Amino acid sequence: AQTVTQSQPEMSVQEAETVTLSCTYDTSESDYYLFWYKQPPSRQMILVIRQEAYKQQNATENRFSVNFQKAAKSFSLKISDSQLGDAAMYFCAYRSAGYTGANSKLTFGKGITLSVRP
Amino acid sequence: SAVISQKPSRDICQRGTSLTIQCQVDSQVTMMFWYRQQPGQSLTLIATANQGSEATYESGFVIDKFPISRPNLTFSTLTVSNMSPEDSSIYLCSVDQVMETQYFGPGTRLLVL
Repeated sequence: AQTVTQSQPEMSVQEAETVTLSCTYDTSESDYYLFWYKQPPSRQMILVIRQEAYKQQNATENRFSVNFQKAAKSFSLKISDSQLGDAAMYFCAYRSAGYTGANSKLTFGKGITLSVRP
Repeated sequence: SAVISQKPSRDICQRGTSLTIQCQVDSQVTMMFWYRQQPGQSLTLIATANQGSEATYESGFVIDKFPISRPNLTFSTLTVSNMSPEDSSIYLCSVDQVMETQYFGPGTRLLVL
C-alpha cells in the first residue's frame, strides 16, 4: 500500500517571502499522480497543483511550483511571494495511475498548517 | 472542473439518529467518492460510488453504518446511521475529472451530541 508522509505539522512564512512544504511518499508503482490540495478555514479542498510521475518536468501554477524527485520519492511545494490568503492547511496526496473505482482513491498525508505573517 | 454542491453544509444531531448528506454535480461523472475528515485529521476514504452498482467500502467502513446511494450520474447520498459523538467530522464528496484529478465539494460539517 502507498503511504504519504508530511513530517512538518506547522510552518510559518513572512508575507512576500518564499516557503517550501515537504512531502515524501512510498510506493512500488512506477506510474502515479501526486497532488497538493489547500484547505482554508472554510474547509473546502482546493487543488493547488498536480504532477504526473512519468513527467520529469516539475509542475508550475503561477506562484506555486513543485520539486519532484522520483528516485527520492519526494514531492515538495514551493510557494513564492506568499500572500495572506495562502494561510491554510496543505495536504499532499497520491493516486495510482490507470485505475478506476476504489483503486483510484487519493491517499493523503497528515497535512501541514501554514500561517502567513503580515 | 465540475461544480459540486453538498447539503447540508453543517448540522448538529443527537446521538442515535441518522443524517443523509447529498452531493450534486453539474455534469455527469462516473465515479464519486466519499471521504471523512475527523477533527484535526487528514481525509480518509469511506467508499467509492459508481452509478448502477453497489458502493465499494474501504476497510473499517460498513454499509450498515454508511449506506450510499448513487441513483444517477450527477447525484449521490451518504447516510451516517445511528450516530455517536465519534462520527463528528467533515464529510466530503469528490468526483473524478480529466487527467485523473479529483475535485471536492464544500463538505458537510457534522457535530453529534
